[in-house]
Amino acid sequence: GAVVSQHPSRVICKSGTSVKIECRSLDFQATTMFWYRQFPKKSLMLMATSNEGSKATYEQGVEKDKFLINHASLTLSTLTVTSAHPEDSSFYICSARDRVGTGGTDTQYFGPGTRLTVL
Amino acid sequence: QKEVEQNSGPLSVPEGAIASLNCTYSDRGSQSFFWYRQYSGKSPELIMSIYSNGDKEDGRFTAQLNKASQYVSLLIRDSQPSDSATYLCAAATGGGNKLTFGTGTQLKVEL
Repeated sequence: GAVVSQHPSRVICKSGTSVKIECRSLDFQATTMFWYRQFPKKSLMLMATSNEGSKATYEQGVEKDKFLINHASLTLSTLTVTSAHPEDSSFYICSARDRVGTGGTDTQYFGPGTRLTVL
Repeated sequence: QKEVEQNSGPLSVPEGAIASLNCTYSDRGSQSFFWYRQYSGKSPELIMSIYSNGDKEDGRFTAQLNKASQYVSLLIRDSQPSDSATYLCAAATGGGNKLTFGTGTQLKVEL
């Protein structure tokens, strides 16, 4: 149980294009999903908290107009990197909070990540 | 600033030994604590969660929590080369809506 998928796993795009990343909780409902980015040999940096049916809450320093988050259902959240630039190249990882699972209400399960390379 | 501190390592242990990973946190309001394992190029995988003071055992893994000292640890018994990874400690605060991660400790289990 508590499986989170992410798609695509890897994407290469040209500078100026937009990229959409999907995050799905496959076997549980997630009212809250989180988006992180991770640079090589660094820890996870929380970008935003995505709540089903409401606007995302962005962390300080994260541009909400650049990183668009939509959480349209209890099992799907999307992150769109708009007008991507090389400095946006990173490993993007989503997590979903299991509302009622055995892991406890605070437990976050991570998707496999999406490696974005902007040329 | 809510912080979770970990020694970056690398921590090297011989195969079969006990690996001890440590973590401290600054926010006394933290209620839940988690250990994640992350292999290079992969996303974090939940190993253990702990909410109460004391020890919690799951197979070869034991998590320890001391809220008075604001200290969390993870013991890995009978360490295997496949345990070689970066271990992330995380603390949840304020109703558990967000996790604060440490920078991770790299563990190397040597043959």
